[in-house]
Amino acid sequence: SQQGEEDPQALSIQEGENATMNCSYKTSINNLQWYRQNSGRGLVHLILIRSNEREKHSGRLRVTLDTSKKSSSLLITASRAADTASYFCAINPGGSYIPTFGRGTSLIVHP
Amino acid sequence: GAVVSQHPSWVICKSGTSVKIECRSLDFQATTMFWYRQFPKQSLMLMATSNEGSKATYEQGVEKDKFLINHASLTLSTLTVTSAHPEDSSFYICSAIFADRWFFGSGTQLSVL
Repeated sequence: SQQGEEDPQALSIQEGENATMNCSYKTSINNLQWYRQNSGRGLVHLILIRSNEREKHSGRLRVTLDTSKKSSSLLITASRAADTASYFCAINPGGSYIPTFGRGTSLIVHP
Repeated sequence: GAVVSQHPSWVICKSGTSVKIECRSLDFQATTMFWYRQFPKQSLMLMATSNEGSKATYEQGVEKDKFLINHASLTLSTLTVTSAHPEDSSFYICSAIFADRWFFGSGTQLSVL
């Protein structure tokens, strides 16, 4: 499969805790992107990390990329109830500009 | 930032009818747009690539006569689900690229009775 696979499939935490989601893939990539989707809504782009980058930050979000292990992680620090959503990683397989998506991690943050 | 507008947000129709979904790039031109389908708690599956002024490119297994795509202008692509059946009920999302980033519409929930 060329798509990324998120782990865990579901994550339930308390407000204030950190949430970590992982993404593994099998092909070489140009970049990896993380998206958020609220229930019944479209996807919102969170972060893009290129294959030559190892870590990126955006507010409470931290993304790492390990191309040797073909894996990425998304860390949400000090989570809030409003962070409740599904999170997807999308990879651009080498030679393709069309991202392919995993099944996502469903995050529930309890107030 | 760039905005992709999708309409309608939801539609309920009777089996056998056709449904049109619109996808617009509001502040940029998109020569290429993409249509995805998503089942509950599942991934987004690319259905087709919509090309302005030419025929759409469909992914394997997607019936082009069933899912008609028209990309008549640089800011509008439409997906028409023809002779809809209950198994076509799904969440449909369009997207476009701008400045190396992908922007998605808010999706259309189609329910076929």
